[in-house]
Amino acid sequence: GAGVSQSPRYKVAKRGQDVALRCDPISGHVSLFWYQQALGQGPEFLTYFQNEAQLDKSGLPSDRFFAERPEGSVSTLKIQRTQQEDSAVYLCASSLGRGRRTEAFFGQGTRLTVV
Amino acid sequence: KQEVTQIPAALSVPEGENLVLNCSFTDSAIYNLQWFRQDPGKGLTSLLLIQSSQREQTSGRLNASLDKSSGRSTLYIAASQPGDSATYLCARLQGGSEKLVFGKGTKLTVNP
Repeated sequence: GAGVSQSPRYKVAKRGQDVALRCDPISGHVSLFWYQQALGQGPEFLTYFQNEAQLDKSGLPSDRFFAERPEGSVSTLKIQRTQQEDSAVYLCASSLGRGRRTEAFFGQGTRLTVV
Repeated sequence: KQEVTQIPAALSVPEGENLVLNCSFTDSAIYNLQWFRQDPGKGLTSLLLIQSSQREQTSGRLNASLDKSSGRSTLYIAASQPGDSATYLCARLQGGSEKLVFGKGTKLTVNP
């Protein structure tokens, strides 16, 4: 597609429920990133893939958070047993990934509200 | 911890004014610095990317500069318009990794 696509745009989950957020990066982009953005804050890094390999997951806040990109294209961020503090906008970004000089493009985000 | 600071947090200007948004960072070992725009409830739109070997980039009414020695970047917006109202975020690549470290943003309001 023309841009990074995320679904759903909005998700309301009851506390304790599992959720799955999808990211479809720009075709041909090697690198894929997930960020979490709390209200009034800048995005915070969660995890990074190069093709199907998860190279950095240092930003995942707990073992309830899991991300995968099995075929090196679409990625899914899964949050198990959601808690209220998980409420945030989850942003996905992709880039060509050729070295550290490439531009990152972001999707519209998924706004997760845990009630 | 490598920090990115944006000043001011909010700015309100009349239409037509030229303005400067500031971004400072603690680590001079910088690869890229990228400026984004975020409209309410939306994702991030990339505005300008300055690579470490560059000092500035221009796109239309926008000009971004990078001074690695002082750890600062500025985004200059000429002849501001109400449509420029948004939150502007700067982000830099964290040294030794591919991840972006963001500031908290500057919320700009351009009044007609």
